[in-house]
Amino acid sequence: DAGVIQSPRHEVTEMGQEVTLRCKPISGHNSLFWYRQTMMRGLELLIYFNNNVPIDDSGMPEDRFSAKMPNASFSTLKIQPSEPRDSAVYFCASRQGAGGNTEAFFGQGTRLTVV
Amino acid sequence: AQSVTQPDIHITVSEGASLELRCNYSYGATPYLFWYVQSPGQGLQLLLKYFSGDTLVQGIKGFEAEFKRSQSSFNLRKPSVHWSDAAEYFCAVGAHGNKLVFGAGTILRVKS
Repeated sequence: DAGVIQSPRHEVTEMGQEVTLRCKPISGHNSLFWYRQTMMRGLELLIYFNNNVPIDDSGMPEDRFSAKMPNASFSTLKIQPSEPRDSAVYFCASRQGAGGNTEAFFGQGTRLTVV
Repeated sequence: AQSVTQPDIHITVSEGASLELRCNYSYGATPYLFWYVQSPGQGLQLLLKYFSGDTLVQGIKGFEAEFKRSQSSFNLRKPSVHWSDAAEYFCAVGAHGNKLVFGAGTILRVKS
């Protein structure tokens, strides 16, 4: 398996534009996580899905952020409109099972810069 | 809700010296505990994990960690650090409902 695949790896956009980050989890994994990493706030859990259903989105910073998982092999994180403070590295991770006791595998991340 | 504290933001050790990175967690039940490592520009890689049983767990790259329930700790150790161990290390707790929460991370610098 190729692991968790995120695209794009880098994204530079202007303030106010819509940004869509994509994630393909490992086949057979039924849990998916979106994290944001910044120097100031570290690694923050934004949202996670079990079996394509959003379970906890309490980490989503505001309504400008939305995430979907239309099927088991694809998820998106959208920011609309984007702001400079959204600049960060966004990671997607997937794991098998929903009991909390399995390893989460991380993608390489998407480095987002909003200018 | 569960939380993780890594009290050391940066640690510098000499190559060949021993290492201990601290992690304290807060969770009402038996936690699932993990240590991950992140090299610059990369995603996170699992070093080791604890679910139950023997409280001393072995991981990859010569790392080990000890779960101490009485202290709510899960400290990471390595007897002899190599220059290639320089990276950022994250402790995480997994809990009911599959939520996985990370600490702020500890940046390890290795001096030769």
